Amino acid sequence: QVHLVQSGAEVRRPGASVKVSCKASGYTFSSYGIFWVRQAPGQGLEWMGWISGYNGDTNYAHKFRGRVTMTTDTSTSTAFMELRSLRSDDTAVYYCARAKRVQWLVPRDAFDIWGQGTMVTVSS
Amino acid sequence: ESVLTQSPGTLSLSPGERATLSCRASQSLSSNYLAWYQQKPGQAPNLLIYAASSRATGTPDRFSGSGSGTDFTLTISRLEPEDFAVYYCQQYGSSLTFGGGTKVEIK
Repeated sequence: QVHLVQSGAEVRRPGASVKVSCKASGYTFSSYGIFWVRQAPGQGLEWMGWISGYNGDTNYAHKFRGRVTMTTDTSTSTAFMELRSLRSDDTAVYYCARAKRVQWLVPRDAFDIWGQGTMVTVSS
Repeated sequence: ESVLTQSPGTLSLSPGERATLSCRASQSLSSNYLAWYQQKPGQAPNLLIYAASSRATGTPDRFSGSGSGTDFTLTISRLEPEDFAVYYCQQYGSSLTFGGGTKVEIK
């Protein structure tokens, strides 16, 4: 079975950084891209960026450029999302999700498998 | 990038009724790259429809997607108790954006 399992909840002070992990299983990690999406409490979904599982290419949403870094560790089939200079409005559930199309190297796709989400709370 | 507007914001219906959800794009979507997701409280979203009208694996056939260009529709032919949830559309033809969601609640 295909799964994405994310790291646990985090609490950070404003100005700090957070790094969330997303471990894939049940499929060939390098054959699919991974997207990151966040959802503030009671709000809708917001796309943050994409990373290729094949070659590590990235594409970040304009809003997050300069503040986010997405990486992968192919030896452990894990994707990471680091967000820096945290503010209170970064408080949200952060999801990783797999691109639907295999061997699709374009940072736009539907998401067919989602992680369970990681709650990140930013508070002083 | 294309902005997606979903309507209505909330749909109050009874089990067994038909639900029609709308998603309008500010620009025509290339290749009808439009997906629909269902999200229940405390859960991650779940892909229902991709490429405007193709059902994802495991999506019941009471769910159908239609539309092209800038106007898209998700139809639930007969609401089951487990269908009461929030539904989001997403376009992936030009960058990537989500609509604001439609909540389908029990009347």
